[in-house]
Amino acid sequence: DTGVSQDPRHKITKRGQNVTFRCDPISEHNRLYWYRQTLGQGPEFLTYFQNEAQLEKSRLLSDRFSAERPKGSFSTLEIQRTEQGDSAMYLCASSPFIDREYEQYFGPGTRLTVT
Amino acid sequence: AQSVTQLDSQVPVFEEAPVELRCNYSSSVSVYLFWYVQYPNQGLQLLLKYLSGSTLVKGINGFEAEFNKSQTSFHLRKPSVHISDTAEYFCAVIRHQGAQKLVFGQGTRLTINP
Repeated sequence: DTGVSQDPRHKITKRGQNVTFRCDPISEHNRLYWYRQTLGQGPEFLTYFQNEAQLEKSRLLSDRFSAERPKGSFSTLEIQRTEQGDSAMYLCASSPFIDREYEQYFGPGTRLTVT
Repeated sequence: AQSVTQLDSQVPVFEEAPVELRCNYSSSVSVYLFWYVQYPNQGLQLLLKYLSGSTLVKGINGFEAEFNKSQTSFHLRKPSVHISDTAEYFCAVIRHQGAQKLVFGQGTRLTINP
């Protein structure tokens, strides 16, 4: 069990550019979650997948954000036309579907800085 | 909807002193409760959880928490802290039915002074 991994760990981009983050969950975990954490705040839910199906999206997830989990394994989160307000830590988590589905395991996060 | 309030944004304590980090929550449905710890530039690590049963739960690194349903609180305690406990601590809840998203508090920064 290698834990949840995220890539890249840090990303600096200019306003208006597109960025894509990747998350690899714990193997055999059916559920995958994305959260955003701004400085001095707790993480806020963005979206989650059960296998390849995206079952819920937060109002925080504007039209510029899109998430996919094409084969029910890794997931990507893309932000188009980045804005300075998108600067944050993006956290990925995974959990089993049955028995302890409430127990989410987090990756190290991707820190995005938009200049 | 659920909400979580962590009553202290920062808590400074001396090494080997006891500490309590306070958490209150609000929910119209039954929830599970969690404490997570975040070290600098890292993700969140689960410290402990309350699901049911005994209201006093023990976690990793010598931490424990007590669930109080009447006061809707879930305070985190440690009898003697170490320098290595310096971190951000987050209280979180998730509803029992259709467990999906964790709802977090704003966090409490614990600083240990030698």
